[in-house]
Amino acid sequence: GAGVSQSPSNKVTEKGKDVELRCDPISGHTALYWYRQSLGQGLEFLIYFQGNSAPDKSGLPSDRFSAERTGGSVSTLTIQRTQQEDSAVYLCASSLAGNPIETQYFGPGTRLLVL
Amino acid sequence: QKEVEQDPGPLSVPEGAIVSLNCTYSNSAFQYFMWYRQYSRKGPELLMYTYSSGNKEDGRFTAQVDKSSKYISLFIRDSQPSDSATYLCAMRAKGTALIFGKGTTLSVSS
Repeated sequence: GAGVSQSPSNKVTEKGKDVELRCDPISGHTALYWYRQSLGQGLEFLIYFQGNSAPDKSGLPSDRFSAERTGGSVSTLTIQRTQQEDSAVYLCASSLAGNPIETQYFGPGTRLLVL
Repeated sequence: QKEVEQDPGPLSVPEGAIVSLNCTYSNSAFQYFMWYRQYSRKGPELLMYTYSSGNKEDGRFTAQVDKSSKYISLFIRDSQPSDSATYLCAMRAKGTALIFGKGTTLSVSS
């Protein structure tokens, strides 16, 4: 079966513009995670969706960042009024039910460059 | 002090060498410990998972957790050029998000 897919694979935008990043999790996975990977900073947790529960937004760095998950499947991460420091690789992961011992399967990421 | 510390390297070894990768952490509530491998321009993939303290072996890979020292290790025996990648430690407490180290870049030369 297909793994986690993300689109676009690369995105170049101008400072101040809004961007939308898409994640298609593995079919049947109820848990979905967004991370940001900046050069030299490792992976940083952003937001977590589990089924119909309210998302855990504790990792979002500012109110310019938001995410939604429609129909318990596809998720979109939106960054409004992008800044140069938003340049990073944005990774999405999914797992079967969100239990701590489950494997999180990562997508290839979207490389965002803000000029 | 960051919750998880990991030396970014780079670490360069010849083929066949034993590789030791390490992370330290500060949060004593962490119970779940993982090692991920990330090839260039790919997403991380889970290599090893350990719950609480102890050792776990899978082929050429051994993961160790020492909760008393807040120290985890990944050993790679008989390293191969295909092991060249960035290795990320990750850990979490029950009910919390996964916290990653910055990753160690490993290069194995043939």
